[in-house]
Amino acid sequence: QKEVEQDPGPLSVPEGAIVSLNCTYSNSAFQYFMWYRQYSRKGPELLMYTYSSGNKEDGRFTAQVDKSSKYISLFIRDSQPSDSATYLCAMSQGAQKLVFGQGTRLTINP
Amino acid sequence: GAGVSQSPSNKVTEKGKDVELRCDPISGHTALYWYRQRLGQGLEFLIYFQGNSAPDKSGLPSDRFSAERTGESVSTLTIQRTQQEDSAVYLCASSSSTGWAEAFFGQGTRLTVV
Repeated sequence: QKEVEQDPGPLSVPEGAIVSLNCTYSNSAFQYFMWYRQYSRKGPELLMYTYSSGNKEDGRFTAQVDKSSKYISLFIRDSQPSDSATYLCAMSQGAQKLVFGQGTRLTINP
Repeated sequence: GAGVSQSPSNKVTEKGKDVELRCDPISGHTALYWYRQRLGQGLEFLIYFQGNSAPDKSGLPSDRFSAERTGESVSTLTIQRTQQEDSAVYLCASSSSTGWAEAFFGQGTRLTVV
């Protein structure tokens, strides 16, 4: 079993829809949770960073962490074609390696 | 430059040859990561350097893979006797001691073994 599981998709939604992306994990020691966005042939870029459980909002993006369920989510409101990318969740125990999910390929259709 | 720089951006090599990939982290960043990304796959951890601590080499897939970093500067990832399954994008990232979870990635080196 992988430490971090993420549905690879692909996921295709119309412009303006709310998008929900999710990851589950098995290591209860994870405390830091990140979402990265990766455009084709580019390196990943950090979108959101959350410590422990709870919600964090940044513009159209909301990250949620439920440590009791070992489940994290990223919501994108009012999705735009420019949001089309692969979204990767990542997590860590502390000042150690980041463990990534497989990534979900998202397409927003105009 | 302001970001993480990797070179070369593309490398085609013959099976059995050795290759060396370079990563220039953001100045002042103490942590440096190497990841491998196969086509359509997620990021596979290879190695992690944090300051002067012993590196976490737990992700290196075989003894053909090695990496070095001198202080908080450049890192090189070396793959000896390359195999076709080594073909992938090799990504480097760095982070600071205070924002270590906020890793900044380079554009990657696309390695093709023929």
